[in-house]
Amino acid sequence: SYELTQSPSVSVAPGKTATITCGGNNIGSKSVHWYQQKPGQAPVVVIYYDSDRPSGIPERISGSNSGNTATLSISRVEAGDEADYYCQVWDRDTDHWIFGGGTKLTVL
Amino acid sequence: EVQLSQSGGGLVQPGGSLKLSCAESGVNLRASGMSWVRQAPGKGLEWVSTTSPSGSITYYADSVKGRFTISRDNSKNSLYLQMSRLRAGDTAFYYCVKHATTETSPSDFWGRGTLVTVSS
Repeated sequence: SYELTQSPSVSVAPGKTATITCGGNNIGSKSVHWYQQKPGQAPVVVIYYDSDRPSGIPERISGSNSGNTATLSISRVEAGDEADYYCQVWDRDTDHWIFGGGTKLTVL
Repeated sequence: EVQLSQSGGGLVQPGGSLKLSCAESGVNLRASGMSWVRQAPGKGLEWVSTTSPSGSITYYADSVKGRFTISRDNSKNSLYLQMSRLRAGDTAFYYCVKHATTETSPSDFWGRGTLVTVSS
């Protein structure tokens, strides 16, 4: 079955850029969606179809996808960006939605 | 504005059954795929099940296939998850999720979640 691999945690200082990766076999051939989940809240989509931003999501948040890695980048990180981030793909081979294990972003 | 109101969670004994409901009051859901996603306390997101806009197509995670049934009543703008033969490992917050369009499109709205606890 298809698997998505995320680093458990990423730490970044305020004002710097956070990079969160999502690894998967030839993930560049799939559409990747990213969700942000703050403590006690439901997830919110922040990037869909690799790099599109829903309305209301700041331009500081961007995504890319190529080869075996999809990347979520958050520039000029703020304390409010501290959350868990999950990548997601639809696996056509199994007709399953697949989530990565999640990355906890800590703002130092 | 989309509002997904969830109900039906609670404490159930192993081997028991429970039915979760999700009702939407702001937008007609019949054009959207819908899913259930769960999250065990302190753990990551786990996809459970998905249905097409019409309800004619359903998909299940291997961990729940044969035990859970997803359904929808578009006349009531509602989504359901019938859970049976519940196990301790099914203990989690269950989120009702609306997809932007079809069932293979990204999720654009999530309910607040309802807690299901399987314990004797």
